[in-house]
Amino acid sequence: GENVEQHPSTLSVQEGDSAVIKCTYSDSASNYFPWYKQELGKGPQLIIDIRSNVGEKKDQRIAVTLNKTAKHFSLHITETQPEDSAVYFCAASKFGGATNKLIFGTGTLLAVQP
Amino acid sequence: SAVISQKPSRDICQRGTSLTIQCQVDSQVTMMFWYRQQPGQSLTLIATANQGSEATYESGFVIDKFPISRPNLTFSTLTVSNMSPEDSSIYLCSVEKDRGVEAFFGQGTRLTVV
Repeated sequence: GENVEQHPSTLSVQEGDSAVIKCTYSDSASNYFPWYKQELGKGPQLIIDIRSNVGEKKDQRIAVTLNKTAKHFSLHITETQPEDSAVYFCAASKFGGATNKLIFGTGTLLAVQP
Repeated sequence: SAVISQKPSRDICQRGTSLTIQCQVDSQVTMMFWYRQQPGQSLTLIATANQGSEATYESGFVIDKFPISRPNLTFSTLTVSNMSPEDSSIYLCSVEKDRGVEAFFGQGTRLTVV
């Protein structure tokens, strides 16, 4: 079955710097890759996603890139702010299948220092 | 997006007892999912619940321990039965707004078993 690895497990940056979180997946049939942000005491919130027919997607300060050949995808946050501090999870699934189970990475604790 | 309400938001339970968690969605959805998030860990899928059929459980999870109901297209319950301290986790309900598209999460139920 699918396995998703995520690095780093913790990341500390200064406010205004960029942050990059990387994930790799094992199942070449996976074609949908969302990123979730989880703040303390809350459920995960979808922040951006990408499908396998696209190499890059951007939404304001957040971007995701996908390399299907290497089976890895990354989250890029520019001009980080203290409110970006949270745990970030990547995930992979097979869009359009009978059941679209999300397989999650292990999470990255991002701390933005003011 | 979808508005998902979970009850209770947290509970402290005695070992050997059972707790039923409710998940209410503000619109009809085909698939609902239940996840477990152990302290400081990632999300693990427990089961997928479709209305009108029995839930499908992932490896390592059984119906006797985690019975699920799905009486209609906006509601589901997960029961954690015969609890032990190892069941202390956050339990999360998730829905797919449209088939195979974005998944949204409730705020979670933080369960502590003493």
